[in-house]
Amino acid sequence: AQTVTQSQPEMSVQEAETVTLSCTYDTSESDYYLFWYKQPPSRQMILVIRQEAYKQQNATENRFSVNFQKAAKSFSLKISDSQLGDAAMYFCAYRTPQGGSEKLVFGKGTKLTVNP
Amino acid sequence: ETGVTQSPTHLIKTRGQQVTLRCSSQSGHNTVSWYQQALGQGPQFIFQYYREEENGRGNFPPRFSGLQFPNYSSELNVNALELDDSALYLCASISTPKAGAETQYFGPGTRLLVL
Repeated sequence: AQTVTQSQPEMSVQEAETVTLSCTYDTSESDYYLFWYKQPPSRQMILVIRQEAYKQQNATENRFSVNFQKAAKSFSLKISDSQLGDAAMYFCAYRTPQGGSEKLVFGKGTKLTVNP
Repeated sequence: ETGVTQSPTHLIKTRGQQVTLRCSSQSGHNTVSWYQQALGQGPQFIFQYYREEENGRGNFPPRFSGLQFPNYSSELNVNALELDDSALYLCASISTPKAGAETQYFGPGTRLLVL
């Protein structure tokens, strides 16, 4: 079974600085998808960024980028120019393309605090 | 805003009772998934419905059941509530179960407390 591990329960960053959140996963599949979701206090899970495993190029979305290391099964999220609104729980998630199910496997999350 | 709504926002039940949680997906989204998020944990997949039929299930007992309706709404039913069922319940919808290509849109969740 696939597992996702986020080893940093909490992280903090100064406004305008850069922070990196770590994620590792375990799978025997070669084709899959990885995601970072943000969950603010409002509880609504919001997609931050997505990476297809077959793509070697790391995904970027404005201030958010990933470092995808397939051999190491590592998928870290870098947030540049951190803003107060970035404060939230961040979840790393894995999805297999097999079986037609859209099941996401989540890590336990990292709580990000942004200090003014 | 994701266009996915859930009701109620909060709910308190006692052990042994039954509960029904509701989700309204975006128009055209014929796939809905339900997740349970215990306090301090990541969401765990309960099951998925596609065109009103269950087509994927996580490690949850049969007392967790669901329904999906043609009007893009769905229900999660939990019978014989246990204290460990206390959690945030999230639904997520996508337009088709095309593996990997679609974004899942999450609702704000229902916070269930079982006493």
